Amino acid sequence: DTEVTQTPKHLVMGMTNKKSLKCEQHMGHRAMYWYKQKAKKPPELMFVYSYEKLSINESVPSRFSPECPNSSLLNLHLHALQPEDSALYLCASSQIQGAAYEQYFGPGTRLTVT
Amino acid sequence: AQKVTQAQTEISVVEKEDVTLDCVYETRDTTYYLFWYKQPPSGELVFLIRRNSFDEQNEISGRYSWNFQKSTSSFNFTITASQVVDSAVYFCALSEWNQFYFGTGTSLTVIP
Repeated sequence: DTEVTQTPKHLVMGMTNKKSLKCEQHMGHRAMYWYKQKAKKPPELMFVYSYEKLSINESVPSRFSPECPNSSLLNLHLHALQPEDSALYLCASSQIQGAAYEQYFGPGTRLTVT
Repeated sequence: AQKVTQAQTEISVVEKEDVTLDCVYETRDTTYYLFWYKQPPSGELVFLIRRNSFDEQNEISGRYSWNFQKSTSSFNFTITASQVVDSAVYFCALSEWNQFYFGTGTSLTVIP
């Protein structure tokens, strides 16, 4: 089973709203990732969690707040977003964090900020 | 400098034609890994293949084949007898140490 699930599939939120994106995997992977992807661009890494600890934060604005409650779940809390934050947000997981390990991606959440 | 270059932004082929997607990478590491991902219009990136820097053996999986040449720093992907379902954006990626670099992607359209 190589499935990563994400909810919701689509999200429209105003600039004053607070919302959360959720990601789940049951492959026993110990590394989980958040990516942001704009149209016609490759995914850009936002955060990496390794063994439930934040390993990489790619200087993402504080209006994005990740959380890893356990080894299967990854959340991305959103607050006071800007219209330019509208994008596809992808979650991924890999066996562990390291160059040799392929990442498995979820279907993404298409976020629109109005 | 771009670590992974996919010079072909968009390619269109007629169904049943063969098509090759180019990928050129740049690294100073001796140990690194190369990947190909497919992103259909639905949005999910699908892992296709991983190749490590010590294994230059070409690989074939059904209609897909990959040609890895360290001498030219290339990891090209060929689809034989293309089908409409192959229409997608294809990303080549390089992984070294803890860094993962995507290329800019090649959008493939297969015309029925």
